[in-house]
Amino acid sequence: AQSVAQPEDQVNVAEGNPLTVKCTYSVSGNPYLFWYVQYPNRGLQFLLKYITGDNLVKGSYGFEAEFNKSQTSFHLKKPSALVSDSALYFCAVRDISGGYQKVTFGIGTKLQVIP
Amino acid sequence: GAGVSQSPRYKVAKRGQDVALRCDPISGHVSLFWYQQALGQGPEFLTYFQNEAQLDKSGLPSDRFFAERPEGSVSTLKIQRTQQEDSAVYLCASSLKNTGELFFGEGSRLTVL
Repeated sequence: AQSVAQPEDQVNVAEGNPLTVKCTYSVSGNPYLFWYVQYPNRGLQFLLKYITGDNLVKGSYGFEAEFNKSQTSFHLKKPSALVSDSALYFCAVRDISGGYQKVTFGIGTKLQVIP
Repeated sequence: GAGVSQSPRYKVAKRGQDVALRCDPISGHVSLFWYQQALGQGPEFLTYFQNEAQLDKSGLPSDRFFAERPEGSVSTLKIQRTQQEDSAVYLCASSLKNTGELFFGEGSRLTVL
């Protein structure tokens, strides 16, 4: 079984400050890891993914995430938050062992950037 | 079109009615997924197609839910005898290949009265 935990329901950060949205995962094999963002009444938009290689992955809108195998974490980060970053963020995992295709999402973390 | 297209965007049904939700994936995308997103929750997996083959339907909550993709492109999610607990946003996503990210449509919001 595969699962994702996002321990924070909401993260508040002042505009211009660095932000971190936490994610930990559980898989039996090797993971593919993803971050998505959702704006109100919209579908999910892809931000970035980790497949293999460098543990630090860079994505859209200045976001990056660090894969940490020993801590089974994939935290989303941005050096300087913008008010427009305020949205719902979802971490997701796919266990690639045995060709399994299902992508499992976390419950989401609401990011509020305060002007 | 350039993205995943879902219709209708909004559907109100009376309890007991049947509904059909359509998904038109990105052209050439082999994989197609359906997810259910309840208010304040993350997307929950329903079913997965690779071309026309439904390879995983483990997430379908009951036998009232049925999905098909007969020609390996457009997919339809059908819910029979709708219940209030079926109220949710139904998201469709497609993917080019096994390692690829999912591209989501904007969802179909179903409200069952």
